[in-house]
Amino acid sequence: AQTVTQSQPEMSVQEAETVTLSCTYDTSESDYYLFWYKQPPSRQMILVIRQEAYKQQNATENRFSVNFQKAAKSFSLKISDSQLGDAAMYFCAYLAGGYNKLIFGAGTRLAVHP
Amino acid sequence: DVKVTQSSRYLVKRTGEKVFLECVQDMDHENMFWYRQDPGLGLRLIYFSYDVKMKEKGDIPEGYSVSREKKERFSLILESASTNQTSMYLCASSSTSRGYLSYEQYFGPGTRLTVT
Repeated sequence: AQTVTQSQPEMSVQEAETVTLSCTYDTSESDYYLFWYKQPPSRQMILVIRQEAYKQQNATENRFSVNFQKAAKSFSLKISDSQLGDAAMYFCAYLAGGYNKLIFGAGTRLAVHP
Repeated sequence: DVKVTQSSRYLVKRTGEKVFLECVQDMDHENMFWYRQDPGLGLRLIYFSYDVKMKEKGDIPEGYSVSREKKERFSLILESASTNQTSMYLCASSSTSRGYLSYEQYFGPGTRLTVT
């Protein structure tokens, strides 16, 4: 069965600094998608970034980028120039075969200090 | 913009009550999902539906049922609420299109259910 592991329950970063959130997953499939979702306090979960497994190039979305290491089954999220609005729970998720079922990690709570 | 709405943000029910949580999406998505979110456990899939009147069990379906009579609406039912069902419930929807934005799930704001 596929699993997603986020080993950092909590992280903190100073405003304007860079932080990296870790995620590893376990699968025997070769074709899949990986996502990072952000859940701000008392607000809706939104997609931050996505990565298709067949693409070797790491995805980037403005200040957010990933380090996708397929062989190592690692999918970390880097947030550059951190802002106060980046404070949230971040969930790593794997999209299983059939492209319907998302499997989530336990989440990492990110605090951003001014 | 995709909009997924849930009937209540906060709900307090008594043990043994029948509870209905409703979710509506406005993007004509084929797939709809119910998740339960608990601290330290992330989100766990309860049920999902890929078409009207179709449903499939997720990882933790026990104690729950679902109904999808219309494409835009997906209901989660707790037949007899118990205290261990106190949790945050999130609804999501997605398209089966194979376009660039395919497979992304869009989430509702969540319903925090307390069973006393």
